[in-house]
Amino acid sequence: NAGVTQTPKFQVLKTGQSMTLQCAQDMNHEYMSWYRQDPGMGLRLIHYSVGAGITDQGEVPNGYNVSRSTTEDFPLRLLSAAPSQTSVYFCASRGMVDYEQYFGPGTRLTVT
Amino acid sequence: QQQVKQSPQSLIVQKGGIPIINCAYENTAFDYFPWYQQFPGKGPALLIAIRPDVSEKKEGRFTISFNKSAKQFSLHIMDSQPGDSATYFCAAIWGGSEKLVFGKGTKLTVNP
Repeated sequence: NAGVTQTPKFQVLKTGQSMTLQCAQDMNHEYMSWYRQDPGMGLRLIHYSVGAGITDQGEVPNGYNVSRSTTEDFPLRLLSAAPSQTSVYFCASRGMVDYEQYFGPGTRLTVT
Repeated sequence: QQQVKQSPQSLIVQKGGIPIINCAYENTAFDYFPWYQQFPGKGPALLIAIRPDVSEKKEGRFTISFNKSAKQFSLHIMDSQPGDSATYFCAAIWGGSEKLVFGKGTKLTVNP
């Protein structure tokens, strides 16, 4: 099992550009989520999904879109990047019965 | 009421010391309390978790102490080693929720 995979590992964007952060899991987990991690702020939930076709907002959803067309994949889209979106982004997944949550290795995004 | 408050923000101990990280919560419906360990440049990984029907759980050098009446739980690292230097996050979740609630993290440094 690869677990939770994320691509790319690093990305630099200019203000106003758009991009998609990819996330995939091979554990057949229903629940997937995206977090951003900033110094002193901990892990903040951006969006989450409890299954294919179902998504919902987390704590800091503005500027981000998600969709869940398959169980395995949960991409995060930045529509128009802003410097405030400079952060490290983590995708995570877990089963709905077992609370154990697995994180991906992260994507470090810089917006200039 | 959904917050988990974690302290201290940072902690420095000598090798062999016993660092203690504390977390407090308000929502008495929480029924699962995990701790995550994160090394620089990596995603958080589940370290140890406890449910409120027990007061203590040990896994190797890591121990969770749980005080249900005080709504507090803590992580103790026995015989700490430089390799334990990492950021530690506490979290909580309850069966009626879909989201883990994270503390803001504690950066632990274990000096040789």
